[in-house]
Amino acid sequence: AQTVTQSQPEMSVQEAETVTLSCTYDTSESDYYLFWYKQPPSRQMILVIRQEAYKQQNATENRFSVNFQKAAKSFSLKISDSQLGDAAMYFCAGGTSGSRLTFGEGTQLTVNP
Amino acid sequence: DVKVTQSSRYLVKRTGEKVFLECVQDMDHENMFWYRQDPGLGLRLIYFSYDVKMKEKGDIPEGYSVSREKKERFSLILESASTNQTSMYLCASSLVRGINYGYTFGSGTRLTVV
Repeated sequence: AQTVTQSQPEMSVQEAETVTLSCTYDTSESDYYLFWYKQPPSRQMILVIRQEAYKQQNATENRFSVNFQKAAKSFSLKISDSQLGDAAMYFCAGGTSGSRLTFGEGTQLTVNP
Repeated sequence: DVKVTQSSRYLVKRTGEKVFLECVQDMDHENMFWYRQDPGLGLRLIYFSYDVKMKEKGDIPEGYSVSREKKERFSLILESASTNQTSMYLCASSLVRGINYGYTFGSGTRLTVV
């Protein structure tokens, strides 16, 4: 079974600075996918970034990038040049291709002006 | 864009009531899911469905049932609501059976059972 763990319930960052959110996962499978979702106060879950486990290259989407450490089973999200609109709950999620998404506990990110 | 619509943003129900949470998606997705979101616990899968009239239990199905009579609609049913079912409920859908591209979520229904 897959498990996903986020050990930081809350994080804060100054506007324009960089912040890294941590996530670890545990699976014995080789074919799996990892995601970061953002949930702003509107509650609409937004897919931020996606990583395929078999790809060595870390995924990037504009100011968002991941540090995927396969051996360490770590999948952290880096947000560069943080903006006020980045304030949200962030969920790490993952699973094998034939399974359902498993989510971590979430990290509440505050962006200070 | 795919849209997943949950009929109620907020609901308040009494203990023992039968509660229906409705979810509709408009992009012909085969697969639909119900999650429960609680602080410190993240999202936990209650039930899911890969086809009309098909349902499978997730990780926490106790106290819940589901109905999928039409492809676009997936209902979560609380047969006899209890206070420990006070939570945020999120519906999601996906085109492909696997998780390869993630899910599209609705905006959630915050249910309070008093």
